[in-house]
Amino acid sequence: ETGVTQTPRHLVMGMTNKKSLKCEQHLGHNAMYWYKQSAKKPLELMFVYNFKEQTENNSVPSRFSPECPNSSHLFLHLHTLQPEDSALYLCASSQGSYRGSGSSYNEQFFGPGTRLTVL
Amino acid sequence: AQKVTQAQTEISVVEKEDVTLDCVYETRDTTYYLFWYKQPPSGELVFLIRRNSFDEQNEISGRYSWNFQKSTSSFNFTITASQVVDSAVYFCALSLNTGFQKLVFGTGTRLLVSP
Repeated sequence: ETGVTQTPRHLVMGMTNKKSLKCEQHLGHNAMYWYKQSAKKPLELMFVYNFKEQTENNSVPSRFSPECPNSSHLFLHLHTLQPEDSALYLCASSQGSYRGSGSSYNEQFFGPGTRLTVL
Repeated sequence: AQKVTQAQTEISVVEKEDVTLDCVYETRDTTYYLFWYKQPPSGELVFLIRRNSFDEQNEISGRYSWNFQKSTSSFNFTITASQVVDSAVYFCALSLNTGFQKLVFGTGTRLLVSP
């Protein structure tokens, strides 16, 4: 496997189910991201992990719970979702950043996404 | 606050036509980065270009070219001699120099190239 992979590619779940989305990167990166892509809305950054530490939680409801056990894997645990949570969930990775590292920017590489439908 | 506007929701062209995708951004920061990504039907975002705010030189890469103008806060993308394989959704994005690489995306422009 190369690049960023996501499983499953498609998921249909009821509002009372608990499921998890998985992301794995094979690029040697240290930062990982979850984005939500809803129809006719901009991609929204949900969470950022930098060297396994969560550095960003963009006001995401608690029914979404991220987990980053190591720099290569990122999970998004889902429970008690709502139909409006149906969207494409994209994972990305990049080189990690150190606070105060200056003007560097590390390109983000995206996975193919998980298409989630909440019934 | 940062914002990216892609006013064109969908553009349809015939193969071999040139097409320009517009992007206007807002930020109060003096140091920032601008990007274009392509999202084909398979779903993943494919990186096309990154520009930092101090580099206003236009860039050409094959059939792709980008026009960055700070005076109008625009970063437009032109595809010359479009091909069916160019059909995709194209996103413009902005990131500040925060060290944590938060991308702010526009709503995207869907490009349909017909034979």
